[in-house]
Amino acid sequence: DGGITQSPKYLFRKEGQNVTLSCEQNLNHDAMYWYRQDPGQGLRLIYYSQIVNDFQKGDIAEGYSVSREKKESFPLTVTSAQKNPTAFYLCASSFGTSGANEQFFGPGTRLTVL
Amino acid sequence: GQNIDQPTEMTATEGAIVQINCTYQTSGFNGLFWYQQHAGEAPTFLSYNVLDGLEEKGRFSSFLSRSKGYSYLLLKELQMKDSASYLCAVRDKRDDKIIFGKGTRLHILP
Repeated sequence: DGGITQSPKYLFRKEGQNVTLSCEQNLNHDAMYWYRQDPGQGLRLIYYSQIVNDFQKGDIAEGYSVSREKKESFPLTVTSAQKNPTAFYLCASSFGTSGANEQFFGPGTRLTVL
Repeated sequence: GQNIDQPTEMTATEGAIVQINCTYQTSGFNGLFWYQQHAGEAPTFLSYNVLDGLEEKGRFSSFLSRSKGYSYLLLKELQMKDSASYLCAVRDKRDDKIIFGKGTRLHILP
């Protein structure tokens, strides 16, 4: 079955620690994205990548880092510089970044920083 | 700048029809998406509009007026499983980024 997976579903970390969230897709999509969702808020774009070995900052990139070494994988690191890291993180992918290319979302990782 | 507005919450009755509105302001419009998101789950794609008019998909329809910066999602024959948040999102022509609204939480009453 083709799809997009994120792990783990729930993640707890102590303040000051970096943490990496996994995102893998086997849909052969070129583009991948990371969003953050807070209660009562829309999805806010953190980083996106249109092609392997290339990525761009979204609207709230500060305190986050990504890599895109493989087409299938787009891990997100939440660093200690991120002031309010507790949130629901969603990864998405699409064939392209234009027109009707809708995004397919993973199940999300709920990160809680204690 | 970019701005997307949609009502925060709506309530409707099982079997009825509901219309969820979305207004947007963007420097360069290149399509509008509607997604459904159940609590704690991932959003799933419902519809895409880039030209003016109505797109129908079963019980769900989506309408777009580019001149008015306006769209709506119409849900017919409501079922309890339609209780979810509905996200309006606009693609910006300048950088192809998709900007999401805050979502409308729809409650269905039996």
